[in-house]
Amino acid sequence: IAGITQAPTSQILAAGRRMTLRCTQDMRHNAMYWYRQDLGLGLRLIHYSNTAGTTGKGEVPDGYSVSRANTDDFPLTLASAVPSQTSVYFCASSISSGSAGELFFGEGSRLTVL
Amino acid sequence: GQNIDQPTEMTATEGAIVQINCTYQTSGFNGLFWYQQHAGEAPTFLSYNVLDGLEEKGRFSSFLSRSKGYSYLLLKELQMKDSASYLCAVGDSNYQLIWGAGTKLIIKP
Repeated sequence: IAGITQAPTSQILAAGRRMTLRCTQDMRHNAMYWYRQDLGLGLRLIHYSNTAGTTGKGEVPDGYSVSRANTDDFPLTLASAVPSQTSVYFCASSISSGSAGELFFGEGSRLTVL
Repeated sequence: GQNIDQPTEMTATEGAIVQINCTYQTSGFNGLFWYQQHAGEAPTFLSYNVLDGLEEKGRFSSFLSRSKGYSYLLLKELQMKDSASYLCAVGDSNYQLIWGAGTKLIIKP
């Protein structure tokens, strides 16, 4: 059982380039999330999706976009990367939206923007 | 504003007991979560409290007081593998999780 798979594991990117972080889950969870984790800060929600076909903005959505064409996939796109987007990105899922559900996290994607 | 506070770092001895505190101020409350995160890895779920009181799960226990905006995670019989960061998170009125910055726990032999 894979759970949540993220790709790439790490990436170095030139500023101004477009980048898509991939996230796939095989647990048939309805809700999916993208977080970024920076040293000294808590996980910050970028975008979320409560169910396939719907998305919403989190705490720090600027510079990022997402889509949820089906239940399993939830890619995160940086249209034009900037150095402040250097971070570790975690994709997560839960059975349903609402904080009563446990979150399952992918292994993370470490992104460096130069 | 919404705020989760927890100590940045704590040190404890193998075999001992340690208590990690978390205080919160959020718009609404829909449960408090504790997650464990080893260095370079993803967070993993430890516990969930929605009612006041103590929830025990093996060597780990979590306590909640909603009136005080306070929780703690208690780890007993510490093992070296417990060296990790412990993240406190609270569900707000929109059912989104607000996360603390995490407490790095260092276990010494």
